[in-house]
Amino acid sequence: DAKTTQPNSMESNEEEPVHLPCNHSTISGTDYIHWYRQLPSQGPEYVIHGLTSNVNNRMASLAIAEDRKSSTLILHRATLRDAAVYYCILRGGLWTNAGKSTFGDGTTLTVKP
Amino acid sequence: DAGVIQSPRHEVTEMGQEVTLRCKPISGHDYLFWYRQTMMRGLELLIYFNNNVPIDDSGMPEDRFSAKMPNASFSTLKIQPSEPRDSAVYFCASSLVAGAKNIQYFGAGTRLSVL
Repeated sequence: DAKTTQPNSMESNEEEPVHLPCNHSTISGTDYIHWYRQLPSQGPEYVIHGLTSNVNNRMASLAIAEDRKSSTLILHRATLRDAAVYYCILRGGLWTNAGKSTFGDGTTLTVKP
Repeated sequence: DAGVIQSPRHEVTEMGQEVTLRCKPISGHDYLFWYRQTMMRGLELLIYFNNNVPIDDSGMPEDRFSAKMPNASFSTLKIQPSEPRDSAVYFCASSLVAGAKNIQYFGAGTRLSVL
């Protein structure tokens, strides 16, 4: 299974942008890049996903490198509520191995007031 | 919709006892997943169902673990007998479709402590 690599932790100041990187050098052509986050004492929460083009939604933006071997989750203005563990995972086109995409250790984001 | 509902939120039991965790997926979702989260192993998939049928249970740690989905709105994860190493947070998730674009919606989890 294609794996992802993320920094263990990152810090940000409140109301500043945050760029969370993810490396996935073994990504296949049909893999989608998904981001989830897990707030303290809660279940993981979907943030965004994409294939090749950059994506925007109300929560964040996803910038995907041209070679697709890396991506960056962008929080445009971090708030204290964005403090969480952020997971970057890959999902293939077929669900025969559904959920085999492990969540890994993720990046723990700390937001300072 | 109320989202994925899990019960109980917390469970404390003694080693050797049977534990049953419950999950109600989002209405209309055809896929249901059970995960376990520990500090050592992170978030790992145990089993998933499609249209109430177990599809992949290769993540179930051993025979003490079993999962059922008797209907589209209810699933259980049972541990019998429970052991201290089963202590973890167990999450249930559901999704509408399969494939690379599917989005999983997670419940709040059940924190299990086996003494």
